[in-house]
Parts: sequence; structure tokens; C-alpha cells
Amino acid sequence: GAGVSQSPSNKVTEKGKDVELRCDPISGHTALYWYRQSLGQGLEFLIYFQGNSAPDKSGLPSDRFSAERTGGSVSTLTIQRTQQEDSAVYLCASSFGRLQETQYFGPGTRLLVL
Amino acid sequence: KQEVTQIPAALSVPEGENLVLNCSFTDSAIYNLQWFRQDPGKGLTSLLLIQSSQREQTSGRLNASLDKSSGRSTLYIAASQPGDSATYLCAVGSNYQLIWGAGTKLIIKP
Repeated sequence: GAGVSQSPSNKVTEKGKDVELRCDPISGHTALYWYRQSLGQGLEFLIYFQGNSAPDKSGLPSDRFSAERTGGSVSTLTIQRTQQEDSAVYLCASSFGRLQETQYFGPGTRLLVL
Repeated sequence: KQEVTQIPAALSVPEGENLVLNCSFTDSAIYNLQWFRQDPGKGLTSLLLIQSSQREQTSGRLNASLDKSSGRSTLYIAASQPGDSATYLCAVGSNYQLIWGAGTKLIIKP
């Protein structure tokens, strides 16, 4: 079946502009995660959605970052007033929702803020 | 606070050799531990998932072990091939998050 898809695959923007990153999880997966991978660094947890529960936003680095998940499926990560330090690969993953389940990752969105 | 460390940061071995990648974590209260592979310019591929109650998992030429009491996991790759060249990431399931190591960049020389 189809895996996790993300769009766009690459995004170049100017400092101060807003960007939206999209994630389409695997059908039937109730859990969705966003991570960020900065150059030369490990992955950093951003936010976690589980079904209709309130998301765990504890990893969001600032209030410029927000995320939504509509209808328990597609998710959008929005970064407002982008800064150069926001440049990174943003990865989305989904799972069946139980904490013990494997997370399946999308190919990521490479964001470059000039 | 959970911290995950992977040693070595980089490893280069000739084709055909068996090798071991190491992962250590500071808090033994984990749900599971996963090993992932990341190829340049691509996303992450899950290789093996070990639940906290398990000691090891095997898939083909890969074997992962887990010792919670010592806070360690190893990924054993048998009969390495050039196609195994990638960055290998260890991630510990803790609460609702995966806590990640920085990875080991593996190069298999033909």
C-alpha cells in the first residue's frame, strides 16, 4: 500500500515568510508525528497527534511553529516568520497509534530559509 | 532526561565483514527501541523494532539486541554488502516520543 507522503519535497523561502508543510499518513494509522533533522544533528521531536486527542506539542521550538491534523488524517505543519535556523529536513511519520508500534516515515521536506 | 548515544559516529569496513553498531541510553524506562536506516536524500526506513520485554530481533542479515539493565543495544550486520552503506539511527521509545541517537555513518568498501 501507499506509504507516508510529504509535500513539497523541497522548499526555498525568504526569511520572514510563512511556510506550510503537508503530511499524508498511511491510511488507517491513527498516530502522526513531526520531527526535524537539522544538518549534522539528530532528529528532534516536534509534535504528536493521536486520534482526536489533544496533540502533544511539547517539542515545538517556538510559538512560530504550529500544526493541525484535519479529520484525523492529513496534517499541516506551519512555520510563521521563518528564520534561517529553521532550515532543516522536516520528517513526518505515522503508526497504528499504540506506543509499541513501528513508526513509518515519509521522505521529508527540505526547507531552506535564505 | 533520556539521552541516546551511538558509537562510532562513522565506520568503514571491507565488503563481507561482520560488524556491530552500538547504541546506549541513559533511562531504562523505555517502551521499545528501534533501528532505522537513512540513505542520503531519502527518508528513514525502519529495520528492527525491539519491545521492552524482548531481548533481540532478527531480520535477514540483521540482528538487534536489547539490554535494558545496562542501557545498551547493538545492531549486528552479517556479511556486509556495499548496499548496506547508509546512516544507521537508533531511537528509544519513551512516553509518546522517539529519542534519537546522532547515528553511525557506515561505508562498506567493495
